[in-house]
Amino acid sequence: AQSVTQPDIHITVSEGASLELRCNYSYGATPYLFWYVQSPGQGLQLLLKYFSGDTLVQGIKGFEAEFKRSQSSFNLRKPSVHWSDAAEYFCAVVWMDSSYKLIFGSGTRLLVRP
Amino acid sequence: DVKVTQSSRYLVKRTGEKVFLECVQDMDHENMFWYRQDPGLGLRLIYFSYDVKMKEKGDIPEGYSVSREKKERFSLILESASTNQTSMYLCASSLDRGLTEAFFGQGTRLTVV
Repeated sequence: AQSVTQPDIHITVSEGASLELRCNYSYGATPYLFWYVQSPGQGLQLLLKYFSGDTLVQGIKGFEAEFKRSQSSFNLRKPSVHWSDAAEYFCAVVWMDSSYKLIFGSGTRLLVRP
Repeated sequence: DVKVTQSSRYLVKRTGEKVFLECVQDMDHENMFWYRQDPGLGLRLIYFSYDVKMKEKGDIPEGYSVSREKKERFSLILESASTNQTSMYLCASSLDRGLTEAFFGQGTRLTVV
């Protein structure tokens, strides 16, 4: 079955520290991968996406993510977190089979310590 | 600017009522989606549509139906609302069959009492 797993419900980091949010998916078809961010009271905004090519992709707000096919992972990273990055982050996948469903993970809430 | 508009930000309905949630996009997108968002569960796909009059079930379609009579409008229908359908409902649209960015509405917080 198609599934997207974000194993960390909450993560707390200090401002200026590095960040890595984990995302794993399962299913055999080719995945197209996304990270979205939802700030308090706001709608979802796309941070970055991976379709093909270079497995390290750059996004907005200084975020990057690396696709590792062997690990079925697409982890989100940022070298130095800012207080404004506090939000909920969602990994999402579309599988290139006949369904084309856009499936989201359960989200990771990021808290930033001053 | 890209826009996905959901007709209501907040709704309160009674158990057993028929509820309509409306979503309109102005981007001429083929695909439209309905999700519900619950704490700790993320966004769960209810239904999606990749063309007018076409619909496909998502992961949690039970208790819901949808209608897409025009390209820009995708309606979610709760045939007989129940308290376990209290949730935040998000509508989204995308240009290609999921291959491009999905744009989201602001959400409708539905409370069923």
